[in-house]
Amino acid sequence: GAGVSQSPRYKVAKRGQDVALRCDPISGHVSLFWYQQALGQGPEFLTYFQNEAQLDKSGLPSDRFFAERPEGSVSTLKIQRTQQEDSAVYLCASSPTWYGRPRDIQYFGAGTRLSVL
Amino acid sequence: SQQGEEDPQALSIQEGENATMNCSYKTSINNLQWYRQNSGRGLVHLILIRSNEREKHSGRLRVTLDTSKKSSSLLITASRAADTASYFCATGGLTGGGNKLTFGTGTQLKVEL
Repeated sequence: GAGVSQSPRYKVAKRGQDVALRCDPISGHVSLFWYQQALGQGPEFLTYFQNEAQLDKSGLPSDRFFAERPEGSVSTLKIQRTQQEDSAVYLCASSPTWYGRPRDIQYFGAGTRLSVL
Repeated sequence: SQQGEEDPQALSIQEGENATMNCSYKTSINNLQWYRQNSGRGLVHLILIRSNEREKHSGRLRVTLDTSKKSSSLLITASRAADTASYFCATGGLTGGGNKLTFGTGTQLKVEL
């Protein structure tokens, strides 16, 4: 089966533009996570979905960021009015849930590298 | 914010040598995991150790966990050029039912032929 797929792989945006980043998780994975990775740093948590429910959005840096997963599979991270500080790699990860407890291992996509000019 | 720090930040060794990376974290944890990231790629899970475990092995990998010191180490034995990558520790905690990972700052490992 396919792994986590993210698109586009690279995105260049002019400051002030809106962008949408897509994540296709592994089929059947209930949990989906978004992380932001700045250059030379470890990933930082943005938000978490269980099926279509966004259960944790504590890591979203501002109200310009929002994410959705309307049918419990594909997710989109949208950034409005992009700023230079939004430049980073955005990683999506999914994990299965088993008997109501989340599996601990996350499977990551290759990421979308966003450059805001 | 990052959970903790890893050291060294960068490590360069010869093929066949062992590589040891250390990770410190700040809060109580449910589990600690190590991930590898090749340049321009996503992260790949290597090994998980739970808070009630002290040591775990997987192939050429050995992980230790000391919850009293809030630290962990990853040992890669008999390193290969293909092990060249960045290595991150990540601590897991339940949040709203999920297992949000909090990553360290990473160690860049270079294995030279």
